[in-house]
Amino acid sequence: NAGVMQNPRHLVRRRGQEARLRCSPMKGHSHVYWYRQLPEEGLKFMVYLQKENIIDESGMPKERFSAEFPKEGPSILRIQQVVRGDSAAYFCASARDRGRETEAFFGQGTRLTVV
Amino acid sequence: GQSLEQPSEVTAVEGAIVQINCTYQTSGFYGLSWYQQHDGGAPTFLSYNGLDGLEETGRFSSFLSRSDSYGYLLLQELQMKDSASYFCAVRDQRNAGNMLTFGGGTRLMVKP
Repeated sequence: NAGVMQNPRHLVRRRGQEARLRCSPMKGHSHVYWYRQLPEEGLKFMVYLQKENIIDESGMPKERFSAEFPKEGPSILRIQQVVRGDSAAYFCASARDRGRETEAFFGQGTRLTVV
Repeated sequence: GQSLEQPSEVTAVEGAIVQINCTYQTSGFYGLSWYQQHDGGAPTFLSYNGLDGLEETGRFSSFLSRSDSYGYLLLQELQMKDSASYFCAVRDQRNAGNMLTFGGGTRLMVKP
C-alpha cells in the first residue's frame, strides 16, 4: 500500500508562471489536506478537500491559488502567476475518514522555488 | 482563533530524557497530536491524546491536561536519529475535528 504520493518533489518556476502540484492520497483515503511550510516554521493549513468537494479553504489565499480533488485522479493545488513569496514546501496529507482520532499521513512534499 | 506555543529549540545528549512542552488556545478542543519531521522529510505521526493522561509508545510518551490547555512529548533514551523537529497540533471544532492546526515546531538537537 503506497503512501501519499506528491509530485514533483522539486519545482522551479519563474515569476508569473503557473505551478501545479499533485497529490495522490493513500488507497482508500478520501480526505485530502494541503499545508504550506516556510523554512524553520510550522505547517500552515491551506485547504481541506473530499472527492469533488472543497470542505474548507479558509487558509488559502483568495487570489491565484486554487485546489481540486476530482472523482478520478490526484488532488491538484494550482498557483497562478507565482511570486517569490510563494517559494515554500507544500505538503499534502490524506486521511481515511472523518474520525477525530484518524491519523493523517503526509506526503514527502513539493518544494517550490520561484526565481 | 487558535494558537500553539512550543519552544523553538532544545538540545540534549544521547541517552538523556527530554520533554517538549506545548500550550494551546483554541475553541472546541478535541485532541492534541505530535508529529516528527526530519530535515527535508515529511511530518510523521507520533501520538494522539484525546483524553487527559499519558500515552506511551516505546521510547516516546505524550501527556495531555485539558484543564491546563497543556501537553508534552517525552523522549527517553535519546538517540542521534531523534534529531528532528517536533510539532504539536490540535484538532478542534473546525470541521468536527478533522483538521490539524500546527505549532511552530521544536528543533531537537541530540549531541553525542
